[in-house]
Amino acid sequence: AQSVTQLGSHVSVSEGALVLLRCNYSSSVPPYLFWYVQYPNQGLQLLLKYTSAATLVKGINGFEAEFKKSETSFHLTKPSAHMSDAAEYFCAVSTIIQGAQKLVFGQGTRLTINP
Amino acid sequence: ETGVTQSPTHLIKTRGQQVTLRCSSQSGHNTVSWYQQALGQGPQFIFQYYREEENGRGNFPPRFSGLQFPNYSSELNVNALELDDSALYLCASSKGLAGGDTQYFGPGTRLTVL
Repeated sequence: AQSVTQLGSHVSVSEGALVLLRCNYSSSVPPYLFWYVQYPNQGLQLLLKYTSAATLVKGINGFEAEFKKSETSFHLTKPSAHMSDAAEYFCAVSTIIQGAQKLVFGQGTRLTINP
Repeated sequence: ETGVTQSPTHLIKTRGQQVTLRCSSQSGHNTVSWYQQALGQGPQFIFQYYREEENGRGNFPPRFSGLQFPNYSSELNVNALELDDSALYLCASSKGLAGGDTQYFGPGTRLTVL
């Protein structure tokens, strides 16, 4: 079964510092991978997705992620953190079950930005 | 382009009651998926509807059921509510069933069961 593991339930960085949120996946087939962001009391917003077109994927708000097959990783980065980046971040892998496209999410990483 | 909308925003029910949550999909999307997000957890897949038929289900009991209408909007029904059903219920719409299709999420309905 396909799954993702997010390393670190809480990450805290200073404003202007590098953001690195870790995601490792388990999949028996080439995966489709997603990063979503969730602000307090809101739904999920897509940051970026990997669909095998390019290993380095650029998303919204200055975020990007690199797919590394050898490490089964899809870590999310941003060169310089902004206060508005404070939110919960979820990594997900897409899987087909009974004909349905199902997203399997990690437990999430809460990002805190210190002024 | 209108995004995914959900109603109501918040709902309080008591144990044993029934609830119906509603979702309007994004324009041009024919697929709706429902997820349950417990506090502090990632969303868990409940089921998916494609062209008015349920075409995949997660590990949820039959008291969780749904409908999809000809305009692709959808309902999630939960019978015999239990305390553990308290969660944020998220609806997502997409253009199809391909593995790389993006699911666009609504703001969710916060259900509290007392």
